[in-house]
Amino acid sequence: EAAVTQSPRNKVTVTGGNVTLSCRQTNSHNYMYWYRQDTGHGLRLIHYSYGAGNLQIGDVPDGYKATRTTQEDFFLLLELASPSQTSLYFCASSDTWGQDTQYFGPGTRLLVL
Amino acid sequence: GDSVIQMQGQVTLSENDFLFINCTYSTTGYPTLFWYVQYSGEGPQLLLQVTTANNKGSSRGFEATYDKGTTSFHLQKTSVQEIDSAVYYCAMRLNSNNRIFFGDGTQLVVKP
Repeated sequence: EAAVTQSPRNKVTVTGGNVTLSCRQTNSHNYMYWYRQDTGHGLRLIHYSYGAGNLQIGDVPDGYKATRTTQEDFFLLLELASPSQTSLYFCASSDTWGQDTQYFGPGTRLLVL
Repeated sequence: GDSVIQMQGQVTLSENDFLFINCTYSTTGYPTLFWYVQYSGEGPQLLLQVTTANNKGSSRGFEATYDKGTTSFHLQKTSVQEIDSAVYYCAMRLNSNNRIFFGDGTQLVVKP
């Protein structure tokens, strides 16, 4: 079974703070995704990548950067965090773009004060 | 535009009750349809999927039928158990570009 891990699991920062969320998958999947989950909005795609060095923009990219350093590792960067970015963030991976199951990590809960 | 609609934010049932969670979708063509389940403290995981219109998918006692006529993919289970308490997401994948759209999710609470 695909394994996707995220760190940290919980993070508190202040407005204007710099935050990096990490995701690692160990199933050699090509695609990795960052979503945010908010009550009443379900899962919304922030950024995704189809390989090391690649980055694609999702549906809600404003205020977020991302970087895929290796096939396994995908990072989400909030360089000037705002309270509106308080959310539950999920990383996911899949072998192909939309063609098969996405495997999700356990999530990172971020609070921006 | 392309979207997935789940009108029910929360459904509360007792054990052995019948479950019905609404899902409708809007797009052109024939997307692939999914139900994902998210248990407390975990990420979503695939529950079932159906690729072909008018087919039924099933898993762990849950069923959903891809109804192209009504553009619906409602989730059903005859007899829910407390362990089924979770958030259920309906989703669709467009055949044109493989983009996946999720509904807002339905929180199922099953009381013992």
